[in-house]
Amino acid sequence: QKEVEQNSGPLSVPEGAIASLNCTYSDRGSQSFFWYRQYSGKSPELIMSIYSNGDKEDGRFTAQLNKASQYVSLLIRDSQPSDSATYLCAVKPSGNTPLVFGKGTRLSVIA
Amino acid sequence: DAGVTQSPTHLIKTRGQHVTLRCSPISGHKSVSWYQQVLGQGPQFIFQYYEKEERGRGNFPDRFSARQFPNYSSELNVNALLLGDSALYLCASSLELGQPQHFGDGTRLSIL
Repeated sequence: QKEVEQNSGPLSVPEGAIASLNCTYSDRGSQSFFWYRQYSGKSPELIMSIYSNGDKEDGRFTAQLNKASQYVSLLIRDSQPSDSATYLCAVKPSGNTPLVFGKGTRLSVIA
Repeated sequence: DAGVTQSPTHLIKTRGQHVTLRCSPISGHKSVSWYQQVLGQGPQFIFQYYEKEERGRGNFPDRFSARQFPNYSSELNVNALLLGDSALYLCASSLELGQPQHFGDGTRLSIL
């Protein structure tokens, strides 16, 4: 059973701070990793994808991948109240296996 | 460009009925996946289709079925509805298998 684990939160950070969201996965052969943002009552929105070890930056978002530790994280710099949402980590395991989602971490940015 | 479109937006059914949910992928996307999401959980994989062929099936009973049409649109069918089938049903499309998936707005299904 391929698993993706996230802390459900809520994670509360003040406006302007860095929010750090973490995710671990069980399949060591996983190659593709994604972060989705989901506002309450809405569908998930893809915000980052990462495929190789290291950091990938896009605006205020940075995804970090460490395959040896089976760990992927998302950093949000200069957090805004509009960033308050649930962040879903999704992992594509090896082989003909579908995308596996974590349960999500609820982020609350306090003005 | 239009994103992934799903219909209907909301649906209310009673136990034992059947339902058909529809999805149109982003233009040019060949792969469509269906997910079920209940409150407080991440999306659970139901089916994946690519070039009209089933490429994956999640741990759902045979009451759930799907298909993909030549224009890459897709239908999800659920028979003999149970109260536990109440959920948000999400369709996602990707250009190719393994590529990032983009979600539609979902169909919220309520079973009474």
